[in-house]
Formats: sequence, C-alpha cells, structure tokens
Amino acid sequence: NAGVTQTPKFQVLKTGQSMTLQCAQDMNHEYMSWYRQDPGMGLRLIHYSVGAGITDQGEVPNGYNVSRSTTEDFPLRLLSAAPSQTSVYFCASSRTGTGQPQHFGDGTRLSIL
Amino acid sequence: KQEVTQIPAALSVPEGENLVLNCSFTDSAIYNLQWFRQDPGKGLTSLLLIQSSQREQTSGRLNASLDKSSGRSTLYIAASQPGDSATYLCAFSGTYKYIFGTGTRLKVLA
Repeated sequence: NAGVTQTPKFQVLKTGQSMTLQCAQDMNHEYMSWYRQDPGMGLRLIHYSVGAGITDQGEVPNGYNVSRSTTEDFPLRLLSAAPSQTSVYFCASSRTGTGQPQHFGDGTRLSIL
Repeated sequence: KQEVTQIPAALSVPEGENLVLNCSFTDSAIYNLQWFRQDPGKGLTSLLLIQSSQREQTSGRLNASLDKSSGRSTLYIAASQPGDSATYLCAFSGTYKYIFGTGTRLKVLA
C-alpha cells in the first residue's frame, strides 16, 4: 500500500520563487493536513481539509495556499518563497478527522536561499 | 491557547529498561490524544490513539494513559530495545486540529 505520498523529497528554491508541494493518499481518507517541522518547535499545522472542496487554516497559514479538488490530492502552494519557509513539510491524512490515527508521508525538505 | 510540553527532551537508557515518557497540556478541553514515533529523516508513525472518553490504550509493549484532570499523558515502554530508538511525540486535538509537543529523543543502548 502506498499510503501518503509526498513529492518532491528535496527542493531548493530562491527567494521569491513559487512552487507546489504535492501530497496524495490512496486510502480514501476525508481528512488531510499539512504541517511544517522546525527544530525546537515541533510540528505546526498550516492548513487542513475535511473533504473535497473544503479547506481551513491551521496555526501558521500565512504564505501558503491549498485547495482540495479531489479526495486523493491536497497540494500546498508557496506563492513567493521566503527564507523563513525553510523547513520540513509533512502531509497527513486520516479517515474522518482527529478521532482516527493520522498517517504521515515521509516529508519534503525545502530550503529557501 | 493549548500548549504541549514533553519532558525530558532526550533520554538514553540501557536495553531492557522500562521507561516512561511524559506529555503535559494546558487545556483540558481536548478531544483526542495521539502518540507518534518519528525515525530520522522519516515521517511520523501513529503508535496509540486515546479518545477523550478513554483513560488508556495498549499495544504490545506500549501503554499510553490520559489524565485530563491533571493535564498529563504518559507513554510507558516495557523492556526497551535498541529498535525503540526514535523521537516520540504526543499530540492533542480539538475537533480538527492537532497541537504537537516537541518530542522526546530516545536512545536505547545495546
């Protein structure tokens, strides 16, 4: 089973560039979310979605956009990358929400120069 | 605002020891608690999920408890093994949002 797949695994950007981090799950999960993990700060929620067409902000949404056109995919967009967005990004999914075990991808390591 | 604290930040023990990892939170209005394991360079793996109405969950050598009145959760690992070496994170949730602790980095020495 593929589970949660994130691409790319590594990326280096220049300040001001844009890019999309991809996340796909094959478990027919309704709930999907994006986190960033920074040293000493733990994981912080960026955006989440409770189903296709429904998204909402998490703790640190500024500088990031999301959309959910299908159940399977939940891409995260950086419109104008900043060095402060250098981090490891994780996508997670669960069947219905926080009452179910969360399944995580292996992460995207992003560096902004 | 919910804050989650994990103590200690790092722990090194000899193989075979029983150990307890601690997680404390400030807001008792939680829905669920989940413990995760993270190996270096990898994502998180869910270990145990405790619903708000429950007090503990067990899986193999792992036991997690939740005490909402004291704002604490503990993860008990019995008979630790070198393969248990990883970072362990706890996370508390409201309806749709998780708040994570910063983790305890565990090293089990052979």
